[in-house]
Amino acid sequence: DIAMTQSPSSLSASVGDRVTITCRAGQSISQYLSWYQHKPGKAPKLLIYGASTLQTGVPSRFSGSGSGSHFTLIINNLQPEDSATYYCQQSYGTSYDFGQGTRLEIK
Amino acid sequence: EVQLEESGGDLVQPGGSLRLSCAASGFSVSGNYMSWVRQAPGKGLEWVSSIYASGHTYYTHSVEGRFTVSRDTSKNILYLQMNSLRPDDAGVYYCARLADIRWLDYWGQGTLVAVSS
Repeated sequence: DIAMTQSPSSLSASVGDRVTITCRAGQSISQYLSWYQHKPGKAPKLLIYGASTLQTGVPSRFSGSGSGSHFTLIINNLQPEDSATYYCQQSYGTSYDFGQGTRLEIK
Repeated sequence: EVQLEESGGDLVQPGGSLRLSCAASGFSVSGNYMSWVRQAPGKGLEWVSSIYASGHTYYTHSVEGRFTVSRDTSKNILYLQMNSLRPDDAGVYYCARLADIRWLDYWGQGTLVAVSS
């Protein structure tokens, strides 16, 4: 298993803000990193895969970067519908560990 | 259109068994990589198991020896057989397609498992 650590655990931001969520892996995972958005009662939604590739249909205000063991998810021009919990997930090898999640609240 | 629909969640006593199903449409379960992910109450997402197109299966440590992932090619259904259930196995279980063995691009809505006496 690979430990995945996200920071912060929660944050609050206003509409129009830019927010950054960080994910650190316990070892190098190259670019085998995905980001998901999860709202209560809904299925998780893939946002980013391969560390930086935007999934089809995801707004361009979402972006991802990083490689090795340090990754970031940036949300520009924050919108009310971005209120959710965000998870990173590694896929290096045959385990698919998630970070503990970052809860994003819109003020 | 790709769709996944889980079923089979229920209330079961500790030590009991349950089989979850995930009916897929729009693609072939047997020709793809599939996973189960769960979310315990108040907790985050946790990867549970994956089955590759080759048939190889993988599990998180806490369920190894108790859970078995399988598929029915003719019905296009993914299964998760869960035995010796414990209270910490409770939660919402999602099935998802594992694209290119790397990312979970399609998810079902989840099915709820409760483990309590």
